[in-house]
Amino acid sequence: DIQMTQSPSSLSASVGDRVTITCQATQDISTSLNWYQQKPGKAPKLLIYDASNLQTGVPARFSGSGSGTEFTFTISSLQPEDFATYYCQQYDWLSPITFGQGTRLEIQ
Amino acid sequence: EVQLVESGGGLVQPGTSLRLSCAASGFRFDDYAMHWVRQTPGKGLEWVSGISWNSGHIDYADSVKGRFTISRDNARNSLYLEMNSLRTEDMALYYCAKDSRPSIRGGVFDLWGQGTLVTVS
Repeated sequence: DIQMTQSPSSLSASVGDRVTITCQATQDISTSLNWYQQKPGKAPKLLIYDASNLQTGVPARFSGSGSGTEFTFTISSLQPEDFATYYCQQYDWLSPITFGQGTRLEIQ
Repeated sequence: EVQLVESGGGLVQPGTSLRLSCAASGFRFDDYAMHWVRQTPGKGLEWVSGISWNSGHIDYADSVKGRFTISRDNARNSLYLEMNSLRTEDMALYYCAKDSRPSIRGGVFDLWGQGTLVTVS
């Protein structure tokens, strides 16, 4: 199975900061990579699909990039509602779907 | 309203069975693959099973293969997960998730339910 490693596991930041989370795959997954946001007590919400495509209705301050084994998720200017846990998820044909362990984004 | 609503969770003993259901509304259910994803504090998010739009392609995580069965009834806009031989490690919040594509290899979960809790003890 393809393993996904996110870093950092947790992150403290302030409103207005630029934040970057990385996700590394153990095998080449091309751009078969999504990013989700999860708030406490809520289901995950799709933000970015196919590595860099913004899901409909998601603010443009969220972005994703990368291909192969290295991926990056960026929030350009943190808003109060962005404090949550973020997960990457791969869906390569040759492996069961797997998620990263999550990055908890906290208020500094 | 576009939504998924899970039901059927509860407290069961190890070795017993449980059937989860997911009712879909607000979209063409039979156009999309559907999945079950579970979440625990210790293991995070884990994909459990997926079923294509016409039930022609089904897949399971190795951890549940042979014990869980996914199915769907497109006429009833419903997804199911039959869970047998439950283990303590199956204890989790189970989410129903819609794929944005008809194939289970679409792998983009663009709509999630609120989850149903399965406790095995």
